[in-house]
Amino acid sequence: EAQVTQNPRYLITVTGKKLTVTCSQNMNHEYMSWYRQDPGLGLRQIYYSMNVEVTDKGDVPEGYKVSRKEKRNFPLILESPSPNQTSLYFCASSPGDFYEQYFGPGTRLTVT
Amino acid sequence: KQEVTQIPAALSVPEGENLVLNCSFTDSAIYNLQWFRQDPGKGLTSLLLIQSSQREQTSGRLNASLDKSSGRSTLYIAASQPGDSATYLCAVTNSYGQNFVFGPGTRLSVLP
Repeated sequence: EAQVTQNPRYLITVTGKKLTVTCSQNMNHEYMSWYRQDPGLGLRQIYYSMNVEVTDKGDVPEGYKVSRKEKRNFPLILESPSPNQTSLYFCASSPGDFYEQYFGPGTRLTVT
Repeated sequence: KQEVTQIPAALSVPEGENLVLNCSFTDSAIYNLQWFRQDPGKGLTSLLLIQSSQREQTSGRLNASLDKSSGRSTLYIAASQPGDSATYLCAVTNSYGQNFVFGPGTRLSVLP
């Protein structure tokens, strides 16, 4: 089944403890993105990648890192999480510029 | 900076009605526009993608139109059903291609 998977789906952690949220797609898509969704602020793009080893900042990149070493994987790294990074995170992939995005199921992160 | 708004924020209609959801964007230099639905606690499902050179797209009971010059898109849902109840989001990409900006969404309730 063609899909975007994220792990973990739920995560509760403490301030400052490094964490990684994994994202993987099995559709051989070139493009991948990370978003966060917050009440009243909607979905905002964190980072995106248009190919292996090519990443760029979205609208809210501060406090996040990403890497794209393989086409199928695009992990989101929080080196020192803070409570303001408590949010619902989505990974998405797309075949290219003129194609639709496919979203993962989301990861609910709580930082205490 | 691109800004996307959606009107109304919430809508409640009886089953069987035709309805229109609106999306507006401030920068008309978009690459494409995509409509999504999001069910509570779930990820986003792509509904329709309109490329910047297109005026409309149709899928089943859904029809989306795009007027780039006025910065507007509409999503028309015919013969609404309770299963259409969800939040509907529009998103635009700028000329770069993958920097998506989302609207805040319209929460639709279709009453049996």
